[in-house]
Amino acid sequence: GQNIDQPTEMTATEGAIVQINCTYQTSGFNGLFWYQQHAGEAPTFLSYNVLDGLEEKGRFSSFLSRSKGYSYLLLKELQMKDSASYLCAPRGGGNKLTFGTGTQLKVEL
Amino acid sequence: DSGVTQTPKHLITATGQRVTLRCSPRSGDLSVYWYQQSLDQGLQFLIQYYNGEERAKGNILERFSAQQFPDLHSELNLSSLELGDSALYFCASSAPGEGVQETQYFGPGTRLLVL
Repeated sequence: GQNIDQPTEMTATEGAIVQINCTYQTSGFNGLFWYQQHAGEAPTFLSYNVLDGLEEKGRFSSFLSRSKGYSYLLLKELQMKDSASYLCAPRGGGNKLTFGTGTQLKVEL
Repeated sequence: DSGVTQTPKHLITATGQRVTLRCSPRSGDLSVYWYQQSLDQGLQFLIQYYNGEERAKGNILERFSAQQFPDLHSELNLSSLELGDSALYFCASSAPGEGVQETQYFGPGTRLLVL
């Protein structure tokens, strides 16, 4: 089965850096995705990790440790528009994603 | 805009009724996935189709069914609707391939309200 743990809520200040952690237990691990979802809207793809290490993509970076079942999403130079839910989704066999309930990030002035 | 389209955008119906949600994948994508997202709940995987064939099944109720047509669009049928079926229903599609090539891209969703 699959089990995903993320903090429910986080608050950060505009211009700051925030790290959103995700721990997971999954069978047949085949990569991990991060998505951003604004309230009532579709999830949008942010990043993908399949090997251990850091993947950097502009203001967003994602890290994976397969042996620890751990990933984090790092958001730099926070903007108000980054206020959203961030979803960690490990992939099992057959491109099946399992989503946690997500971390609701609030960016304040 | 992900390139995945879903209709209708909103749907209001009564308990016991049946509805059909429609999804058109991105051009070139062969896989379609359906998810349900209830208020304050995570995305729950319902079912996946690949090139017209059922590929994987998640927590899909027996009252729900889906299919993928030769033109690759997909429909999700929800019958004998209950109040608890009120949710956002998302469709996603992905290209054939491996790794990041199989990224799922989500449509805008259909918001279903059962009264």
